[in-house]
Amino acid sequence: AQSVTQLGSHVSVSEGALVLLRCNYSSSVPPYLFWYVQYPNQGLQLLLKYTSAATLVKGINGFEAEFKKSETSFHLTKPSAHMSDAAEYFCAVSVEYGNKLVFGAGTILRVKS
Amino acid sequence: DVKVTQSSRYLVKRTGEKVFLECVQDMDHENMFWYRQDPGLGLRLIYFSYDVKMKEKGDIPEGYSVSREKKERFSLILESASTNQTSMYLCASSLLDSRTDTQYFGPGTRLTVL
Repeated sequence: AQSVTQLGSHVSVSEGALVLLRCNYSSSVPPYLFWYVQYPNQGLQLLLKYTSAATLVKGINGFEAEFKKSETSFHLTKPSAHMSDAAEYFCAVSVEYGNKLVFGAGTILRVKS
Repeated sequence: DVKVTQSSRYLVKRTGEKVFLECVQDMDHENMFWYRQDPGLGLRLIYFSYDVKMKEKGDIPEGYSVSREKKERFSLILESASTNQTSMYLCASSLLDSRTDTQYFGPGTRLTVL
């Protein structure tokens, strides 16, 4: 079975500081991993996804994530936070077959000025 | 761009009412999904559909049913709404039934059951 753990339900950073949102996964098959972002009062939007082509994945808005099999991790980073990055971020892993996803509990990112 | 629309942003219903949540996608996607989102629990899959008139239960189907009569439309039905169904409901769609395909989400319906 697949599962995702997001460490830290709330993360607070200063504007311009590094953003690091943690995601660890468990999967009985080679994993495919996704990061989605949800801005206030909106649906989810794909930030990036790992589909085994490259371990370092670049996404929209300057975010990137690195797949580390030995650590079963897929942490999301951004070198310099902007106020507009304040949102909730979800990590997800695909199940064994088909297009279903298992989501983590989410991390709310707050950016301080 | 893919567009997924949901019939209402906010909905208030009374206990025992039958509730319909509608979702429409405009990109000829095969798959459609209904999730509920609760703080601290992330998104949980209620039902999904991989073809017209086809449906499969997700992780939390109890108290819900679905209907997909046309490819672009996927309805979630609460047969007899209860207060514990107060939540944010998100619809999503994807083109293919592959593990790498992206799901596209609607804006959500915040349902309150009194």
